[in-house]
Amino acid sequence: DAKTTQPTSMDCAEGRAANLPCNHSTISGNEYVYWYRQIHSQGPQYIIHGLKNNETNEMASLIITEDRKSSTLILPHATLRDTAVYYCIVGRGATNKLIFGTGTLLAVQP
Amino acid sequence: EAQVTQNPRYLITVTGKKLTVTCSQNMNHEYMSWYRQDPGLGLRQIYYSMNVEVTDKGDVPEGYKVSRKEKRNFPLILESPSPNQTSLYFCASSFALGVVEQYFGPGTRLTVT
Repeated sequence: DAKTTQPTSMDCAEGRAANLPCNHSTISGNEYVYWYRQIHSQGPQYIIHGLKNNETNEMASLIITEDRKSSTLILPHATLRDTAVYYCIVGRGATNKLIFGTGTLLAVQP
Repeated sequence: EAQVTQNPRYLITVTGKKLTVTCSQNMNHEYMSWYRQDPGLGLRQIYYSMNVEVTDKGDVPEGYKVSRKEKRNFPLILESPSPNQTSLYFCASSFALGVVEQYFGPGTRLTVT
């Protein structure tokens, strides 16, 4: 499975969009990009996933570059409750094993 | 409410005293797994199960056992716990193999002295 690189931490003002980047330059053609988040030692929570196309759901948007070597998770209107560690994970859809890295600690400031 | 439950949530025990951490899901999911989370190491998969009576090792299975006798339950057994098994444990489930959305339980914080 491809490795991902994320910034260790980011700040965002409440109400503004939070843009979390992820590099996955060794991603292969059949690997998906998944995003999960973990709020202070709670169980990780699924956010969104994608293969090639940009995706949007009620929580976030996922923008994947055309070469698929990087992606950005966008929380359109961050709230204090969005403060969490965000994990970008790359893996094959045929397996459910998630390989979590160290993630990005997003701190939403009032 | 769709959920994954774990019990106990907190446990302090001594080396060598057998323990079981229970995991149950009410979503009729086929796939279940256990992870442990340690500082600096992230979450690592211990065991997983693709269906009743079908289990397999993850990345760090040593010192653990699992069973899947019923679809909804997937207990984690530590037959002789050691201090290096002190960790935060999460159970997860998903509808089937290949479905990417996994639901995680609230976690069990285990301390072995």
